[in-house]
Amino acid sequence: KQEVTQIPAALSVPEGENLVLNCSFTDSAIYNLQWFRQDPGKGLTSLLLIQSSQREQTSGRLNASLDKSSGRSTLYIAASQPGDSATYLCAVRADSGSARQLTFGSGTQLTVLP
Amino acid sequence: GAVVSQHPSWVICKSGTSVKIECRSLDFQATTMFWYRQFPKQSLMLMATSNEGSKATYEQGVEKDKFLINHASLTLSTLTVTSAHPEDSSFYICSASRPSLGQFFGPGTRLTVL
Repeated sequence: KQEVTQIPAALSVPEGENLVLNCSFTDSAIYNLQWFRQDPGKGLTSLLLIQSSQREQTSGRLNASLDKSSGRSTLYIAASQPGDSATYLCAVRADSGSARQLTFGSGTQLTVLP
Repeated sequence: GAVVSQHPSWVICKSGTSVKIECRSLDFQATTMFWYRQFPKQSLMLMATSNEGSKATYEQGVEKDKFLINHASLTLSTLTVTSAHPEDSSFYICSASRPSLGQFFGPGTRLTVL
C-alpha cells in the first residue's frame, strides 16, 4: 500500500526566503506526482504535475523535482511571500488500477511572515 | 481549467439526521468521481470511487450503508451521510475526472454534526 510522507509538518519563514518542502513515497511504481495548495477551509489548487518520466517542473517561483527511484520529491519556493501561506499537499497517482487513485501526504503548513 | 462545484459549502445538522452533498462538474462530463474526507490537520482520505451508472467502490473501512453515493449522470454525484453522528463531522471534498482532461477538485463541504 502506497504511503506518502511530508516533512516538515509545519514551517514558518520570514518573507523573501527560499524554502524547500519534502515529500517521500514508499512505492516507486507511480504514474505521476502532483503538488497542491490548500487554503484554510478550501479545496485544492493544483500547482505542478510531474509525470513519472520527468525530473522536474517549473511554474513561476515554484519548482518541483522528482526522483522516482528513491521515492522523493521536493517543492522549491523562491522568494517566499505572505500570500504563499497555505498547506501544501503532495500526492502520487498509482501506476495501475482502473481509476489510478491519488494518495495524499498529510501536508506541510507554511506560514510566511511579513 | 475545468470547474467542480459542491453544494452546500457548509452544513450543520443534529445527530441522527441525514445530509446530502452534491458534486457537479460544470463544464465537462466526468467519467469518474471521487469522494474524500479530511479531518483537521490531516490529509485527504479517499472514501469511494464512482463511475456514472454503476455502484461506487468503497475504500476499506468506509461503511457503504452510511455513506450513500449516487452517480446519476456524467456531471452529478451525491454523497448522503445517513444518521450522522458527531464523529462524522469533517471536511468532505469531491473530485471529478476525465482521462483526457485530468482530475479536478471541488471546494469542499464542511459538515458539523451536533
